[in-house]
Amino acid sequence: KQEVTQIPAALSVPEGENLVLNCSFTDSAIYNLQWFRQDPGKGLTSLLLIQSSQREQTSGRLNASLDKSSGRSTLYIAASQPGDSATYLCAVLRSNTGKLIFGQGTTLQVKP
Amino acid sequence: KAGVTQTPRYLIKTRGQQVTLSCSPISGHRSVSWYQQTPGQGLQFLFEYFSETQRNKGNFPGRFSGRQFSNSRSEMNVSTLELGDSALYLCASSSTPTNYGYTFGSGTRLTVV
Repeated sequence: KQEVTQIPAALSVPEGENLVLNCSFTDSAIYNLQWFRQDPGKGLTSLLLIQSSQREQTSGRLNASLDKSSGRSTLYIAASQPGDSATYLCAVLRSNTGKLIFGQGTTLQVKP
Repeated sequence: KAGVTQTPRYLIKTRGQQVTLSCSPISGHRSVSWYQQTPGQGLQFLFEYFSETQRNKGNFPGRFSGRQFSNSRSEMNVSTLELGDSALYLCASSSTPTNYGYTFGSGTRLTVV
């Protein structure tokens, strides 16, 4: 059974810091891994999608890496800003029939 | 390009009632998935539809059902509502999940009283 774990559960940092969010999964047989952002009471916004054959993806200040063999992904946020405050979720896709398996998320607070 | 649209945004229902939620996917997307999000359980998969066929179903009781129409719009129905059904219900769509991942809607907040 695929399980996804995110560490830490919560993180508070001063503005400007570079930070790393971690995601681990127990079964390496995945199609892809997606990182999402969720603001309170809102839906999910896709940040980055990494295919199982890829090692990393970048978008602006965000960089996500994937190591399938060790069952790990990291989301690196450079020069954090207060607007980055949100919950970050990772999810793996194990089948082509739509079932994403989510971690519990990391709630990030960036203080001005 | 319009995103995934879920209606209504908020609902308040009484125990025992039934409710129908709607999801309009991004144009051209044929895969639609539904998720339930609660503080205690996080995001849990309900079901996925592709070209009007349910391809996958999560571990939820039969009170939870869904369907997809020929225009890819999807509805989910919950009958005999329980207090524990209070949650944020999220819909996601994709053209090809394995290649392009999923885009989520803003969700429907259901409160059962």
